[in-house]
Amino acid sequence: GQSLEQPSEVTAVEGAIVQINCTYQTSGFYGLSWYQQHDGGAPTFLSYNGLDGLEETGRFSSFLSRSDSYGYLLLQELQMKDSASYFCAVRERMDSSYKLIFGSGTRLLVRP
Amino acid sequence: DAGVIQSPRHEVTEMGQEVTLRCKPISGHNSLFWYRQTMMRGLELLIYFNNNVPIDDSGMPEDRFSAKMPNASFSTLKIQPSEPRDSAVYFCASSRTGVGSYEQYFGPGTRLTVT
Repeated sequence: GQSLEQPSEVTAVEGAIVQINCTYQTSGFYGLSWYQQHDGGAPTFLSYNGLDGLEETGRFSSFLSRSDSYGYLLLQELQMKDSASYFCAVRERMDSSYKLIFGSGTRLLVRP
Repeated sequence: DAGVIQSPRHEVTEMGQEVTLRCKPISGHNSLFWYRQTMMRGLELLIYFNNNVPIDDSGMPEDRFSAKMPNASFSTLKIQPSEPRDSAVYFCASSRTGVGSYEQYFGPGTRLTVT
């Protein structure tokens, strides 16, 4: 079967660092993506890891270990606007196209 | 670019009625995805198209749901007849395929309420 596990909720203080973990078990794997979704909004792309290691984009970084079927999203210098849900998603390949399998999401609450 | 366009943004209908949701993907994108999001089930992939051809419809819950993509710039998701348990936010997303194409672009969603 396919499963992605991530914590349901995380709380952190403004200015702090928070790490959101994701473990996965899927039939095919070509990469791990992260999406952000604010309440009432649509998911928006944050990062993608196709290979092991760390990818950095501003205050956000994402890490992947394919051997451990594990990844994480690291948010630094937290701001109030970072309060949102964060989804990891496994990219599966089928023929010439691909699809994403989403985790259940982690709700991040940033407190002053 | 206008982004992915969905209509209507909100739909309230009675049980048993037909509902049609519409999506216009970003020009040049050749993959289109329909998702459903609820608190209980999260973000579920219903069906996706590549070059207007349905590739995987294994997420379509039952025969009441159907989707079409008659051309590269338009897709519909139809529910007939609708039921209260179909109440959810339905997202359409599009993307390019090929090396270096990782991002799916989501539309604003259609919030469906079936009473």
